[in-house]
Amino acid sequence: AQSVTQLGSHVSVSEGALVLLRCNYSSSVPPYLFWYVQYPNQGLQLLLKYTTGATLVKGINGFEAEFKKSETSFHLTKPSAHMSDAAEYFCAVKIRDDKIIFGKGTRLHILP
Amino acid sequence: DVKVTQSSRYLVKRTGEKVFLECVQDMDHENMFWYRQDPGLGLRLIYFSYDVKMKEKGDIPEGYSVSREKKERFSLILESASTNQTSMYLCASSRPGQGYSNTEAFFGQGTRLTVV
Repeated sequence: AQSVTQLGSHVSVSEGALVLLRCNYSSSVPPYLFWYVQYPNQGLQLLLKYTTGATLVKGINGFEAEFKKSETSFHLTKPSAHMSDAAEYFCAVKIRDDKIIFGKGTRLHILP
Repeated sequence: DVKVTQSSRYLVKRTGEKVFLECVQDMDHENMFWYRQDPGLGLRLIYFSYDVKMKEKGDIPEGYSVSREKKERFSLILESASTNQTSMYLCASSRPGQGYSNTEAFFGQGTRLTVV
């Protein structure tokens, strides 16, 4: 069965430091991959997506992710964290039958 | 601007009540989803619909049913609400995945349901 694993339910970084949120997927076919962000009491907002083509994907708010097929990974990074990045982040995969499966989420805390 | 609208942000219902959660999208999307979100468990798929009157069970369909009579509307029904169905419910829609680059899901604001 296809699945998405996010390492770390909580990640804390200092303001200005590198943000790295990890995501691994299992899929028997090439997937579509997504990162979403959720602010308190809000729905989910798309940060970025990988469908085909370039494996380094740039998204909104300075985030980017790299699709590594050999590692079945799609980690999210941002060079310099800002206080406004504090939120919950979800990695997701869209599989052949069009269902979208989410990881359990990582809550990002930014330390002043 | 694309939009997925859930009828209520907050709902409080009594145990045993029949509860309807409504979702409408204005993007002419074929696919619609209902997820449940609980702390530490992420988003879990309850039901998925890929066309009018077509549906598939997700990972946690027990205690729920759905209705899709029109393309733009997807309803989640709790036949007899129980306290363990207290949760955040999120509706989403998307285009079919095959051959489209813009295939991501668009989400509503969520409905926080409390069953007492």
